[in-house]
Amino acid sequence: QKEVEQDPGPLSVPEGAIVSLNCTYSNSAFQYFMWYRQYSRKGPELLMYTYSSGNKEDGRFTAQVDKSSKYISLFIRDSQPSDSATYLCSVTGGGNKLTFGTGTQLKVEL
Amino acid sequence: EAQVTQNPRYLITVTGKKLTVTCSQNMNHEYMSWYRQDPGLGLRQIYYSMNVEVTDKGDVPEGYKVSRKEKRNFPLILESPSPNQTSLYFCASSLSGANTEAFFGQGTRLTVV
Repeated sequence: QKEVEQDPGPLSVPEGAIVSLNCTYSNSAFQYFMWYRQYSRKGPELLMYTYSSGNKEDGRFTAQVDKSSKYISLFIRDSQPSDSATYLCSVTGGGNKLTFGTGTQLKVEL
Repeated sequence: EAQVTQNPRYLITVTGKKLTVTCSQNMNHEYMSWYRQDPGLGLRQIYYSMNVEVTDKGDVPEGYKVSRKEKRNFPLILESPSPNQTSLYFCASSLSGANTEAFFGQGTRLTVV
């Protein structure tokens, strides 16, 4: 079983839609949960960072972690064409290894 | 400007010819790591380093070597490249560990023929 599972998409939505991106993970020791955004031909960049369970909001973006079900989500409100990218969830239990999901490719259409 | 710099950006080489991909960061970060990115498999960690002279294997270390002689540099060495190492490689650095924000380089597209 993979440590992190993520639906690869591609996901295509109209501008203004609410987007929901999700990952599941298997190791209950994971405490730190991050979402990275990767534009075509670029390296990933940190978008959201969450420690333990709960919600975190930053502008149009909301990250949720449900440790009881080992489920993490990223919501994008009022999606824009500039949000078109690949979104990668990542998890770690502490200071050493970092594990990424396979990434979900999102396209926001005008 | 704070950045992680990888070189080269693109490389085509032949099977068995040793190569090194360089990585340098100017943020005085303790933690550095290498990843490969393949379609359908995502980013997979090859090696990481918690500090100078401290390195450890990630999930896919076979066929790769690294060294961390200086804090700012973390080269990736392929002693005898094979076609299955054709991939997009990223170097990243973080302030103090995998649980802090990772800053990625621009990527190195490697093709082994």
